[in-house]
Amino acid sequence: GIQVEQSPPDLILQEGANSTLRCNFSDSVNNLQWFHQNPWGQLINLFYIPSGTKQNGRLSATTVATERYSLLYISSSQTTDSGVYFCAGVKTGANNLFFGTGTRLTVIP
Amino acid sequence: DGGITQSPKYLFRKEGQNVTLSCEQNLNHDAMYWYRQDPGQGLRLIYYSQIVNDFQKGDIAEGYSVSREKKESFPLTVTSAQKNPTAFYLCASSNTRRAAYEQYFGPGTRLTVT
Repeated sequence: GIQVEQSPPDLILQEGANSTLRCNFSDSVNNLQWFHQNPWGQLINLFYIPSGTKQNGRLSATTVATERYSLLYISSSQTTDSGVYFCAGVKTGANNLFFGTGTRLTVIP
Repeated sequence: DGGITQSPKYLFRKEGQNVTLSCEQNLNHDAMYWYRQDPGQGLRLIYYSQIVNDFQKGDIAEGYSVSREKKESFPLTVTSAQKNPTAFYLCASSNTRRAAYEQYFGPGTRLTVT
């Protein structure tokens, strides 16, 4: 498999602040996804981003595949952004997603 | 509504009993997956299936079994051989003919074995 390292492991923000979450992979991946796990455990797809940059509202993500990392940007954070953010990737030639251990984000009002 | 459903949401069992978790999707996806999540951890793959009547072991298949008799359904059985079955179980599916392996998840089943 591949090792997926996420940083920081925990993050506390004041509402309205911006943040950057990072994901490093030990090997090349040809599929990279970011998820938000809400307090009830549901995994919400945020981005499918094997390379390049995508934006969706206050969230954007950038993957630099050649350097094996991805960044998730959250701007103007809201309390509803709280939860755990996971990145996951599929190793080139394989079939299954490997997950990091997540970044736990708490946004306080 | 298109999506993935898992039932039940919470499940309690006595040690030594087999239990089956349900996963159904109406997204017309070819591939389906089962993951396990332990507290404070990421997800780990148990089994996956890319086509009806075929499935492959993931990283932690011991003590689990699956079947894929229909495209829409991929039930997971947690057997008494699974040493630490208490966990959060998530089912996912993907359309491998589009964005390869972009996976979508169901709401999960929390299994507690005592």
